[in-house]
Amino acid sequence: QVLLVESGGGLVKPGGSLRLSCAASGFSFSDYYLTWIRQAPGKGLEWVSYITTRDEATYHAESVKGRFTISRDNSKNSLYLQMNSLRAEDTAIYYCARFGTLTGGFDCWGQGTLVTVSS
Amino acid sequence: DIQMTQSPSTLSASVGGRVTITCRASQSIDNWLAWYQQKPGKAPKFLIYKASTLESGVPSRFSGSGSGTEFTLTISSLQPDDFATYYCQQYTHNGPLSFGGGTKVEI
Repeated sequence: QVLLVESGGGLVKPGGSLRLSCAASGFSFSDYYLTWIRQAPGKGLEWVSYITTRDEATYHAESVKGRFTISRDNSKNSLYLQMNSLRAEDTAIYYCARFGTLTGGFDCWGQGTLVTVSS
Repeated sequence: DIQMTQSPSTLSASVGGRVTITCRASQSIDNWLAWYQQKPGKAPKFLIYKASTLESGVPSRFSGSGSGTEFTLTISSLQPDDFATYYCQQYTHNGPLSFGGGTKVEI
């Protein structure tokens, strides 16, 4: 059974930092691109970042470029998102998702972790 | 970056009815388009990829079509379980990804 479990969310002050983690199981982790997608309360989905199989390349949305960094540890089947200089508009549920380059879609999602940026 | 525009943002429908949602890309994405269903408090569910290929386990009442810049998701006979919000998503190789704004299907 494919499983993605996010952790690390919480309440942080504007300007603060947070590191999200996503633990994967049930599939060959190093064979897949992985992504972070977020959803602000009552809003739509926003792609945040993705990383290739062996960290050859990473891509970030303009809204987080220079502040967020995606990384992975294939030896631990884990994905990370380091979030710095957080703003109120970063408040959202953050999902990690498995991305299929053959399908061009996110075929497996975690349950999400809530990040709240507020003073 | 490629912008995805979905319409309508909300639609009202009845059980047994036919529903069509449109997604337009700001430039050609060939057939690199996926559709998702999301229910309140849940993660999205992967429905369709490459514009028209159903993910395993998705009921055949769902179908997708289109290429280039214009795409549609059709639900042929709406079931109670289908009331949800639907999103399209584009994929460009070695570039940013993006979602449409969503379409809420309600009674």
